[in-house]
This record gives sequence, structure tokens and C-alpha cells, in this order.
Amino acid sequence: GIQVEQSPPDLILQEGANSTLRCNFSDSVNNLQWFHQNPWGQLINLFYIPSGTKQNGRLSATTVATERYSLLYISSSQTTDSGVYFCAVARFPGANNLFFGTGTRLTVIP
Amino acid sequence: DVKVTQSSRYLVKRTGEKVFLECVQDMDHENMFWYRQDPGLGLRLIYFSYDVKMKEKGDIPEGYSVSREKKERFSLILESASTNQTSMYLCASSFGLAGDLIETQYFGPGTRLLVL
Repeated sequence: GIQVEQSPPDLILQEGANSTLRCNFSDSVNNLQWFHQNPWGQLINLFYIPSGTKQNGRLSATTVATERYSLLYISSSQTTDSGVYFCAVARFPGANNLFFGTGTRLTVIP
Repeated sequence: DVKVTQSSRYLVKRTGEKVFLECVQDMDHENMFWYRQDPGLGLRLIYFSYDVKMKEKGDIPEGYSVSREKKERFSLILESASTNQTSMYLCASSFGLAGDLIETQYFGPGTRLLVL
């Protein structure tokens, strides 16, 4: 399978601060998604972004497919941003068979 | 809104018991998935299904089986539960035909299974 490495493993921020989470992957991919898992365990899809840049409110993501990495930016962080952020990738054939990284645990303190 | 529900949030079973975990989605999705999540390992795919009565092995199928008799329901079965199957189990679903049509996966709330 594809190896997925996320950094940093843990991050503690003051409310209002900005952060960048990184995802490196070991092979070319056709599918890359970012997820947020809240403290109660619910996983929510944030972005489908195999290449390029997308923005959704305070969150944005950039994937540089040729260099095999993706970045998730969180601006003006809020306590509700706390949780674990996962990057997941896949490639043809089997592009719905996602390989997940081990996640970045973000804690935002008021 | 897409809704994926799982039959239990918490479950305690004894070694050797047969365990059924059920997942139901209400959006007529073709694809359904079962993952387990363990600390330090992220999520790993156990099985997925792209149609009724169809199933494909994921990365860690050993000790598990699945059943998909209806489009909206995907069951994960532990034939004889063991302590190393203590984990968080997550179900997901997505639109898409078999194979490579990429769609967002929607996750259920998870089932925390403890095997004693």
C-alpha cells in the first residue's frame, strides 16, 4: 500500500492562532482527502484534493502531487477545531481504497 | 444530509463470541466500507462493498467477514472474537460504481468494541 506520513503528530495552539498540517505520501495518487475527527469520534470529510488548492471558510488545502505532499491550513483557530486531522490517499485501480495517515492531534486552548 | 448509523456506540463481548456490527446509510450509496481505528495506526480498511452481495477484502480482513444483503445495510461479523479485535470500528459509505469513481466517504459515529 501507499505510505502516508503526517506531521506534526501533536499540536497545541492558542485560540486565534494559525497552523499548517502536512501530509507526505510515498506514491502518485488519484485521490487525496482530509478528514477531521472530533473528540467524540465522528469523522467529517473536509476536502477532496488530489491536486491544486481549495478553500472552505477558515480552512484551506493545497496538494502538490508532483512532490507528493499536501498541506492543510487552519486560520484563526477555534476550540471547536480540536480533534485529529487525517490525510487519506488512494490511486487507480482501487481509488476508493483509502490509505490513512496516523493523524495530527490538534488541541486549541482558549 | 447524509446519515450513516451504526448499531451500537459501545459493545463489550467475551472471547470466542460471535459479534455483529451493523451499519445503515440512508443516501442510496453504492459503496460501503468497514475500517478499524487503533492508536498510532490510523484507520485501516477491513472490507468494502460496491454493490449488494458484492465484497472486496481490504488491508486487514483476517478474522472478519461481511454481509450486504440490502443496499443500505453492511454488516461486519467477527466469527470468534479475540482480544486483539478490541478496537474502534468505523463504517463509511459513498456514491460510485465499482472501482475507481472517486467520491467523498461519509462516516458513521463508530463502535468501540471491547473483547474480554
